[in-house]
Amino acid sequence: SQTIHQWPATLVQPVGSPLSLECTVEGTSNPNLYWYRQAAGRGLQLLFYSVGIGQISSEVPQNLSASRPQDRQFILSSKKLLLSDSGFYLCAWRGDRGTNYGYTFGSGTRLTVV
Amino acid sequence: AQSVTQLDSHVSVSEGTPVLLRCNYSSSYSPSLFWYVQHPNKGLQLLLKYTSAATLVKGINGFEAEFKKSETSFHLTKPSAHMSDAAEYFCVVSDWGSNYQLIWGAGTKLIIKP
Repeated sequence: SQTIHQWPATLVQPVGSPLSLECTVEGTSNPNLYWYRQAAGRGLQLLFYSVGIGQISSEVPQNLSASRPQDRQFILSSKKLLLSDSGFYLCAWRGDRGTNYGYTFGSGTRLTVV
Repeated sequence: AQSVTQLDSHVSVSEGTPVLLRCNYSSSYSPSLFWYVQHPNKGLQLLLKYTSAATLVKGINGFEAEFKKSETSFHLTKPSAHMSDAAEYFCVVSDWGSNYQLIWGAGTKLIIKP
């Protein structure tokens, strides 16, 4: 079965420090992968998605970047965090037509920038 | 363009009474519609989904939703609220026009009074 792992679960970082959040999936190949952010009191905002190794689409211009160094690995990064980067970050994997394109979400990372 | 409107940011009900969380959507194509639940500091869990089969969809934990095309609505209901239902609920739309990416509502916080 397909599983998705995301870490760390919580993170407190000072302003100006770098960030690296990692997401890996198991049980599937060539998945569509997504990074979402949820700010307090809001729905989810799509940040990046990737349809394959080295292929990254950015939905929103911001202080963050994403990379996909391996088929089942998706990394969210920042060189210098801002206070506004605080939020709940979710990685997701989208299934194919056989699953009605259903999404599976990681457990999330709560990032607090201080 | 696709969009989702959750009509209430907060809904408060007493334990044992019915729950109604309202959602209206906009889609140019045959949409798939989802309800997700997020408990405090937890990831997202799929409650139920509509994908052009039966218009009344039953989900987990006693929730159900009815797809009404004429009203462009997908309201979530439960006959009797339980304290464990306290969480934030998200209505989501996806269709071919968005390349099956998820378009999220802003969320409704469900509060259960004892």
